[in-house]
Amino acid sequence: EPEVTQTPSHQVTQMGQEVILRCVPISNHLYFYWYRQILGQKVEFLVSFYNNEISEKSEIFDDQFSVERPDGSNFTLKIRSTKLEDSAMYFCASSEALGLADNEQFFGPGTRLTVL
Amino acid sequence: AQKITQTQPGMFVQEKEAVTLDCTYDTSDPSYGLFWYKQPSSGEMIFLIYQGSYDQQNATEGRYSLNFQKARKSANLVISASQLGDSAMYFCASRGGTSYGKLTFGQGTILTVHP
Repeated sequence: EPEVTQTPSHQVTQMGQEVILRCVPISNHLYFYWYRQILGQKVEFLVSFYNNEISEKSEIFDDQFSVERPDGSNFTLKIRSTKLEDSAMYFCASSEALGLADNEQFFGPGTRLTVL
Repeated sequence: AQKITQTQPGMFVQEKEAVTLDCTYDTSDPSYGLFWYKQPSSGEMIFLIYQGSYDQQNATEGRYSLNFQKARKSANLVISASQLGDSAMYFCASRGGTSYGKLTFGQGTILTVHP
C-alpha cells in the first residue's frame, strides 16, 4: 500500500542551525501539508502546498520556515535558524483531492527534531 | 476558524467493551468535515473515520462509528468491541469547507484497553 515517507526519523541540531526535513508524498497525490506536534501537545497545522505554491499557512509558519517541492517526488520543510522551541515531531501529509469528502490526509511517520 | 475540544485526557475500557471518546467543535464555516485519527505509541497518525457536515447518516468504518449531533456540535467516536491494540492517543480534528486542507486538532484522549 502506498505510504508517505519521511527522512530522517530523528534530527538533532544546534540552535541557530538550518535544518531540512524531507518527505516523499504518495505519488498520485497533489496536496501536501506539514504539521508539528510538540511533545505531549496537540498536532498543529503549519502549511498546505499545491501546484508549487503555498495555499494556506498558520501563524507558526513565519519567515524562518519555507517549503519546496524540488523535484517530482520530494517535499521539504526548511527551518532557517532553529530555536529551542522548534523541537517537536514534524509530520508530512498528502492527499489526492481537496474536497471535504475526499480529502483524507495520509500522514508520514514523522521526523523528531531536537534543538539543543 | 475551527476549534476542537476533547475533554477526556484519559479513558479506560475493558477488552471487548465499547467506549465513547468525546469531541465537541466550533466553527464559522457553513460546511466542514470532522475526522478522527489514532496515534499509537510509535507516533504515526492513522486516519480512522470522516463525517461531513451535510451527511445525514452517522459515519461507520468497521468497529468505529461517529456519533454526529450537529445541533450539539459534537462528533463522538464510538469504538465497539475494544481490542488491546486500540490502546493509543485519539485525536478529533476538523476542517472548514473553505480551507485548503488545514486540519485543526483537539488535545487528544489517551485510551487504555485493559485485558
